[in-house]
Amino acid sequence: EADIYQTPRYLVIGTGKKITLECSQTMGHDKMYWYQQDPGMELHLIHYSYGVNSTEKGDLSSESTVSRIRTEHFPLTLESARPSHTSQYLCASSVLNNEQFFGPGTRLTVL
Amino acid sequence: GNSVTQMEGPVTLSEEAFLTINCTYTATGYPSLFWYVQYPGEGLQLLLKATKADDKGSNKGFEATYRKETTSFHLEKGSVQVSDSAVYFCALRPNFGNEKLTFGTGTRLTIIP
Repeated sequence: EADIYQTPRYLVIGTGKKITLECSQTMGHDKMYWYQQDPGMELHLIHYSYGVNSTEKGDLSSESTVSRIRTEHFPLTLESARPSHTSQYLCASSVLNNEQFFGPGTRLTVL
Repeated sequence: GNSVTQMEGPVTLSEEAFLTINCTYTATGYPSLFWYVQYPGEGLQLLLKATKADDKGSNKGFEATYRKETTSFHLEKGSVQVSDSAVYFCALRPNFGNEKLTFGTGTRLTIIP
């Protein structure tokens, strides 16, 4: 069983609030990823990291930002949430040449 | 670029029916191929994988064979159960370069008793 955690699992907030979605893994994986999942299920890579102090933007442009100060921690921040940010956010991690392990996701609703 | 085309859903089957979810891909070289499953309210879990042509991945009664000649990786199960109701994603990962996964759009499967 994969040891990758996301908090909170559900978040409902008002427009303009700053939020941070937490993602932690205890497997020592170098690579970590953030995906945004549409209500229609499609997954979009929005950020990834290949190690400490490494962050890259993914295939889908996002107003969120990420940081990777520690191997096990890859938080995602929205400085000013808007209704268009309402979505499910999935965090994942992997090691070289192996599959990605996913967290349970955070379902964000911005009113 | 890389792409994955997956059978559109939703798919509804009766319990014990035979399941096929089609997946074809476009990629350079010989990518690794995966099927992930997402149960309601959860993240994705790896169901099975294949890393080279003619490999067969299998798990929990599901199977998929890496067919290079048809660039396909169809998911099959001989007798589905209600507990198999979930969303299934086909994905590929190139075996060189940045190793990012490319996902299909997902297929929602509902099994009725």
